[in-house]
Amino acid sequence: GAVVSQHPSRVICKSGTSVKIECRSLDFQATTMFWYRQFPKQSLMLMATSNEGSKATYEQGVEKDKFLINHASLTLSTLTVTSAHPEDSSFYICSARASDLGNYNEQFFGPGTRLTVL
Amino acid sequence: SQQGEEDPQALSIQEGENATMNCSYKTSINNLQWYRQNSGRGLVHLILIRSNEREKHSGRLRVTLDTSKKSSSLLITASRAADTASYFCATDGGGSNYKLTFGKGTLLTVNP
Repeated sequence: GAVVSQHPSRVICKSGTSVKIECRSLDFQATTMFWYRQFPKQSLMLMATSNEGSKATYEQGVEKDKFLINHASLTLSTLTVTSAHPEDSSFYICSARASDLGNYNEQFFGPGTRLTVL
Repeated sequence: SQQGEEDPQALSIQEGENATMNCSYKTSINNLQWYRQNSGRGLVHLILIRSNEREKHSGRLRVTLDTSKKSSSLLITASRAADTASYFCATDGGGSNYKLTFGKGTLLTVNP
């Protein structure tokens, strides 16, 4: 149980285009999902917290108009990188926190999406 | 400020040896978690230790937590080549937003 999937696993796009990444909790409901970015050989940096049915909460320095987050259901959150540029190339990872865990905060991570912007 | 600073940044050992990684943090926490990441892959949750716990075991893993020193350690005993990965600690400050703050990680290489 507690599987999180991401799609696509790898995407290459041209500069100026938009890319959508999906994060799904496959066997549990996730009220809250998190989006992280990881540059090579670095740690995960939280970009935003996505709550089902409400606006995402962005971390300081993350442009909300560039990284659009939609959490339309309890099992799906999407991250859209708009007008992507080469500096947006990174590994994007989502995680999901199950709704029925109360205060227990174990997050389940997706396998990540490698974005390369040419 | 960066929570969860691990050391060493890189550790290379021989198979069968024990590996110890340390994590320090700056603010109060609700719990601390350790994750493993194979190169280019997602994270795997290893173990969670609550702020009122001092030690926890899971298989070959042993985690300690010293809240007075704001530090934690992860010990992997009898290491295997398959343990080669990056290991991250993550702190949960206990807020209602359930945010985790990750450290920089330790790259562990276990040589066969």
